[in-house]
Amino acid sequence: DAGVIQSPRHEVTEMGQEVTLRCKPISGHDYLFWYRQTMMRGLELLIYFNNNVPIDDSGMPEDRFSAKMPNASFSTLKIQPSEPRDSAVYFCASSSNKLAGTYNEQFFGPGTRLTVL
Amino acid sequence: QKEVEQDPGPLSVPEGAIVSLNCTYSNSAFQYFMWYRQYSRKGPELLMYTYSSGNKEDGRFTAQVDKSSKYISLFIRDSQPSDSATYLCAMRTTNAGKSTFGDGTTLTVKP
Repeated sequence: DAGVIQSPRHEVTEMGQEVTLRCKPISGHDYLFWYRQTMMRGLELLIYFNNNVPIDDSGMPEDRFSAKMPNASFSTLKIQPSEPRDSAVYFCASSSNKLAGTYNEQFFGPGTRLTVL
Repeated sequence: QKEVEQDPGPLSVPEGAIVSLNCTYSNSAFQYFMWYRQYSRKGPELLMYTYSSGNKEDGRFTAQVDKSSKYISLFIRDSQPSDSATYLCAMRTTNAGKSTFGDGTTLTVKP
């Protein structure tokens, strides 16, 4: 399996522009997570989905952030408009809870390094 | 105050040393306790997990959970330069769903 795939790997944009980050989870996984990592705040959960349905978006910082999961193999995180304080590494992770009695491991993608100038 | 606090480091040790990494937490509902390793410019990878209290050993790595003290530790024996990375503790209340992460401790093992 190719693992969790994220694109782009690097994004540099100017303040006010729209940014879209993409994630393809591991095939068959039913949970998808979006995290943000910064030196100041560490690794923070933004939102997670189960079977394509958003379960907890309490970590989404503000209305400028939105996330969608139109199908089991694709999710997007959009920032509109972007601000310099959004600069961070954004990780997508996926996991499977389909096997009863087994530990539900989260597998992380390589991340998207976002710089907002 | 954060739900999960991790000793900040950074930590620098000579090769072969025993390393101790620690986290404390405030949510008594946490049942699953994980340690992730993150190499520079990579995503975190699960190193070990423990369910409830107790010890778990995997090669040179030992994870300990003391729920009565709300304290978890990761011990690395005979540390190697390849162990140089950031180590993150994480916890969650159920087997699925959200995990809460510590801020990470950066470890450097010098040859």
